[in-house]
Amino acid sequence: EAGVVQSPRYKIIEKKQPVAFWCNPISGHNTLYWYRQNLGQGPELLIRYENEEAVDDSQLPKDRFSAERLKGVDSTLKIQPAELGDSAVYLCASSLGSGEDLGETQYFGPGTRLLVL
Amino acid sequence: AQSVTQLDSQVPVFEEAPVELRCNYSSSVSVYLFWYVQYPNQGLQLLLKYLSGSTLVKGINGFEAEFNKSQTSFHLRKPSVHISDTAEYFCAVILRKDSSYKLIFGSGTRLLVRP
Repeated sequence: EAGVVQSPRYKIIEKKQPVAFWCNPISGHNTLYWYRQNLGQGPELLIRYENEEAVDDSQLPKDRFSAERLKGVDSTLKIQPAELGDSAVYLCASSLGSGEDLGETQYFGPGTRLLVL
Repeated sequence: AQSVTQLDSQVPVFEEAPVELRCNYSSSVSVYLFWYVQYPNQGLQLLLKYLSGSTLVKGINGFEAEFNKSQTSFHLRKPSVHISDTAEYFCAVILRKDSSYKLIFGSGTRLLVRP
């Protein structure tokens, strides 16, 4: 079974440029998460989708970040315009259920490493 | 207040020695506790989790953790480490607020296994 797929793996852009990250979760997984991991820290949740609905986007900086999961499968996270402080690893994860089972395992992709110059 | 604290940023240990990675959680969070491992340039992989029941939880790769409610700890242990265990280890808890929840990670502990 394929795991969570993310692309690109690496991205270098200049500040003020737009950038987009793509995630394809494990087949059949209803819940999808986007995390940001700064250097030397643990991941922090940006947004959680249950199917195509964003059920928690409280940590998403909405002035420059946007996300979508139109058909409840794959998802795109966008930053426009990027700032120097956005340099981080952006991780996508998925889990099987609808979010009611708090103990459910989240499966992570390899991440996209973003460097903003 | 921090929901989960990993006091050790790095733990060096010799191969075949035992290791303990410490994790303490805030008593205000739910007791759904997790340990994840992150190998270089890879995503996080679940090692083990505690949801309820026996306080000693066994995971993959020979790791185990013990839930201690009185000390609000969930330390990770392995009796004999291998070079291949060199990685970043994250303790995590579920934080519930109203009808929402999120997985909160500690800052991580880098395990460095030396030959």
